[in-house]
Amino acid sequence: RKEVEQDPGPFNVPEGATVAFNCTYSNSASQSFFWYRQDCRKEPKLLMSVYSSGNEDGRFTAQLNRASQYISLLIRDSKLSDSATYLCVVDHGSSNTGKLIFGQGTTLQVKP
Amino acid sequence: DTAVSQTPKYLVTQMGNDKSIKCEQNLGHDTMYWYKQDSKKFLKIMFSYNNKELIINETVPNRFSPKSPDKAHLNLHINSLELGDSAVYFCASSQHMAAFSYEQYFGPGTRLTVT
Repeated sequence: RKEVEQDPGPFNVPEGATVAFNCTYSNSASQSFFWYRQDCRKEPKLLMSVYSSGNEDGRFTAQLNRASQYISLLIRDSKLSDSATYLCVVDHGSSNTGKLIFGQGTTLQVKP
Repeated sequence: DTAVSQTPKYLVTQMGNDKSIKCEQNLGHDTMYWYKQDSKKFLKIMFSYNNKELIINETVPNRFSPKSPDKAHLNLHINSLELGDSAVYFCASSQHMAAFSYEQYFGPGTRLTVT
């Protein structure tokens, strides 16, 4: 089983749609959770951290379910500029080494 | 103004050659990383250094040797390049090495093609 699993997609949605991505992780000792965004042929950039109580940043909402080891990202009112690959990222769960485990990513294409 | 920079951006070389990739960050961060992103887009940690000290050393062939002359620089030297080394290599940095607190900033990547 992969340490972080995501549906690679692609998800093709029209502008204005709401889209949700899910991710599961295998290490119950993981404490830190993130969504990174990677545009085509570019470097990954932090989109948002994911907190236990869930958190929102504008049109983006992240949720964490520790019991099910499941993380989600909801994007409301999709824009063309949201087209990218969304990487679910989890810390390794070991002592503080900064080791992050990246999922394969879910590709989103927003169409006009 | 570039936060994390890498050179070269593209590297095309033949099997058996030795090559280096350089990385520099001007963010004042303590920790730097090397990642490999393969053709299936999986991004995997290779090494990390904290204040010039090796912290993470994943199961990477000995042909890969990182070097950190100071905390702003982390270079990657690869000996005897193989076809399977073709990938995009990303350098990254974070303020400290605790994953739970600190965002990792990535460089633009070096696209290595071994022929």
